[in-house]
Amino acid sequence: QITLKESGPTLVKPTQTLTLTCTVSGFSLSTSGVGVGWIRQPPGKALEWLALIYWDDDERYNPSLKSRLSITKDTSKNQVVLTMTNMDPVDTATYYCAHGSPFDFWGQGTLVTVSS
Amino acid sequence: EIVLTQSPGTLSLSPGERATLSCRASQSVSSNYLAWYQQKPGQAPRLLIYGASSRATGIPDRFSGSGSGTDFTLTISRLEPEDFAVYYCQQYAYSPRSFGQGTKLAIK
Repeated sequence: QITLKESGPTLVKPTQTLTLTCTVSGFSLSTSGVGVGWIRQPPGKALEWLALIYWDDDERYNPSLKSRLSITKDTSKNQVVLTMTNMDPVDTATYYCAHGSPFDFWGQGTLVTVSS
Repeated sequence: EIVLTQSPGTLSLSPGERATLSCRASQSVSSNYLAWYQQKPGQAPRLLIYGASSRATGIPDRFSGSGSGTDFTLTISRLEPEDFAVYYCQQYAYSPRSFGQGTKLAIK
């Protein structure tokens, strides 16, 4: 079955760069049509779509955050990596990775707190 | 960017009642690429509906989606206790694949 799991730091300082890894199983990142995205959710707030990468390395970003985001994949490791620069306390959120478009399978999410 | 506006913000109903949730897009959603998700506290969202009206795998038939263009609706025909949650719509036709702000379905 398809599973996804996020990993990375739970606490980052303001101005630091956040790197999150999504490790997937049950499908290949190189299969035609496959996409994996990142979504975040501040505590008590709505979902926010961040970025998406397709099997052919096509990358899509939320324009409001594009200058700070980078999404890459390593097919051999079954991993998708999201990098977000210049972190701020307002970036405190649960970060999810998810399969497909729409997102039919989700990871459990990882809470990232930005604080000095 | 397509902005999705969900209404109402909170809907208070009793088990057994019918729920109707609305999602309005700021411009037409191509090919009806509109999805609905359910999220319970402490859990990741779950896909309910895609393509505006197709149920995802394992979703009970009391959940139905309808609409086209800019106006979409999620209907829960007869509420079960486990249906009380927050519901989000999402368009996946254009980047950014925006979400609505959510509708909380609360027990009356």
